Amino acid sequence: DAKTTQPPSMDCAEGRAANLPCNHSTISGNEYVYWYRQIHSQGPQYIIHGLKNNETNEMASLIITEDRKSSTLILPHATLRDTAVYYCIVRVDGNDMRFGAGTRLTVKP
Amino acid sequence: GAVVSQHPSWVICKSGTSVKIECRSLDFQATTMFWYRQFPKQSLMLMATSNEGSKATYEQGVEKDKFLINHASLTLSTLTVTSAHPEDSSFYICSAQTLAVSGEQYFGPGTRLTVT
Repeated sequence: DAKTTQPPSMDCAEGRAANLPCNHSTISGNEYVYWYRQIHSQGPQYIIHGLKNNETNEMASLIITEDRKSSTLILPHATLRDTAVYYCIVRVDGNDMRFGAGTRLTVKP
Repeated sequence: GAVVSQHPSWVICKSGTSVKIECRSLDFQATTMFWYRQFPKQSLMLMATSNEGSKATYEQGVEKDKFLINHASLTLSTLTVTSAHPEDSSFYICSAQTLAVSGEQYFGPGTRLTVT
């Protein structure tokens, strides 16, 4: 059973912010929200993760709602190279990663 | 840091032969590694969890006698696909988990297996 729900696909204009939503309404208190992306025929690339607070790194920002039932990954200035499948995963530290279907983001010129 | 390599990156083999895929953590130690399989246009499916010095744990529906996993050191796990068939053709990806409490996982670049 899927622990996260994501839209199957999204488009974004190059240079604009890409906002990728994820629902995880059954998340447990000790589960983190992780985001990975996979560019065609490559291994998944770690983007960011968080527990409760919003997080930001050089790649993206992660906004987690106060009830932790949903989150949004923000790519502030999307480029063509950001075209990929983005996976939102909830995970307890130390456990395995279970991938859902993800969101296929297409950045268009 | 935190680089995971896989070898080979792609392999073509004949039906009935066996193929070994290596997964190495290059700059960190990993007591636990994971093996995934990904069919075209599908998501990654966890096949098994590989623990250094002990037997691997396989997901339901994955044949342990067909997909042999060996995790002989803290930096190397191998997956051997025995008696490969065309339906085993897939993209095989490993990940290695750090020893930190948080257990960050880093993924390899994947191995494309084609069985003819």
